[in-house]
Amino acid sequence: QVQLVESGGGVVQPGGSLRLSCSASGFTFSDYGMHWVRQAPGKGLEWVTFIRYDENNKYYLDSVKGRFTVSRDNSKNTLYLQMNRLRAEDTAVYYCAKDHEWRRVGHTTSGCDYWGQGTRVTVTS
Amino acid sequence: DIQMTQSPSSLSASVGDRVTITCRASQIISTYLNWYQQKPGKAPKFLIHAASTLQSGVPSRFSGSGSGTDFTLTISSLQPEDSATYFCQHGYRSPFTFGQGTKVEIK
Repeated sequence: QVQLVESGGGVVQPGGSLRLSCSASGFTFSDYGMHWVRQAPGKGLEWVTFIRYDENNKYYLDSVKGRFTVSRDNSKNTLYLQMNRLRAEDTAVYYCAKDHEWRRVGHTTSGCDYWGQGTRVTVTS
Repeated sequence: DIQMTQSPSSLSASVGDRVTITCRASQIISTYLNWYQQKPGKAPKFLIHAASTLQSGVPSRFSGSGSGTDFTLTISSLQPEDSATYFCQHGYRSPFTFGQGTKVEIK
């Protein structure tokens, strides 16, 4: 069965950095794009970034462009999110999620069909 | 960016009721519309993609419809386990924005 396990969350000061990881199993990781979605305490879902299955396309939420970098290592079945220059408003639970469509190309998505349990990031002084 | 607006923000209904949640996109998105269910403290669950295609394993009392800018999630006969928050999300182009959520409570 599909499993996604995030790690790397924690408490960091404003301006600091964290790297989140998402370990995937139960499917052919290299055939699917991956998303990061976050949820601030008591708030709704906010899509953050997407990386294509072959890493050829990456998309970002405007507020994280230039600060966050998504990457993947298909040989290790692992997705990453490098977060730099963190702000208080980045405080959230961060979920990795598998794109629904096999080897999706183009600018659309059919949604996130499997999600990890989330890792909590708290940015505070 | 495409904005997604859900209504209502919350509702309370009885077991067996028919429940309808609406999601409106600020631009035409064809049928690139997904629905999710989230229970407190849990990750979201994928319910519907392409506006009306039920994800495998999702009960048939859930259905989706719509195209263009207006979409609907319907629960035909509300069950106690359907108490949750429901989110729509467009998949037309980045950023793939979510609606603000609709909290469904059981009377």
